Amino acid sequence: GEQVEQRPPHLSVPEGDSAVIICTYTDSATAYFYWYKQEPGAGLQLLMSVFSNVDRKEEQGLTVLLNKKDKQLSLNLTAAHPGDSAVYFCVGYGGSGNKLIFGTGTLLSVKP
Amino acid sequence: DPKIIQKPKYLVAVTGSEKILICEQYLGHNAMYWYRQSAKKPLEFMFSYSYQKLMDNQTASSRFQPQSSKKNHLDLQITALKPDDSATYFCASSQGLGGSYEQYFGPGTRLTVL
Repeated sequence: GEQVEQRPPHLSVPEGDSAVIICTYTDSATAYFYWYKQEPGAGLQLLMSVFSNVDRKEEQGLTVLLNKKDKQLSLNLTAAHPGDSAVYFCVGYGGSGNKLIFGTGTLLSVKP
Repeated sequence: DPKIIQKPKYLVAVTGSEKILICEQYLGHNAMYWYRQSAKKPLEFMFSYSYQKLMDNQTASSRFQPQSSKKNHLDLQITALKPDDSATYFCASSQGLGGSYEQYFGPGTRLTVL
């Protein structure tokens, strides 16, 4: 079935720098992608959804790039601040089985 | 106000017992889900419901039984608890089924089985 690999598992950046998280998926039939943020002890907050007919989407300091040829999805947080510190998950939907498939998560730490 | 309520937030159980995890959503959604997050695995899908009907079950064990008494409720009953069931269980909902409908998650119930 579909697998979503996410890297890096840990990422530490100074405040004001950019942070980039990359995901690779296996099933080219995956049609929908999402990014979720999980703060300690909290649920998952939906950051952005991207459909497979879109190559690039920007919202509120976040940029998602989708490279269907390489089956790669990336999230770029520009000008990160300490409030961005959390675990970020990339998620795919579609392909084999109509369900969300989660990546392994990236723990982002933004140092003031 | 929280739109998806999960109760309790923390739950401790002994091996072999039975517990019910509660989920209520106030988003007016028609589809609801359960997911599990354990230390050893990525977040994994368990069940999906649409209009109170079970649509998909990816849980191998019959010890996990969802229960939908109302359209905006989807509880999860777990019987014969094992230490491996220790995890955080998340409820989610969406307007409809399918990838074009964004799923929103509750705060989770952290279950510890001793």
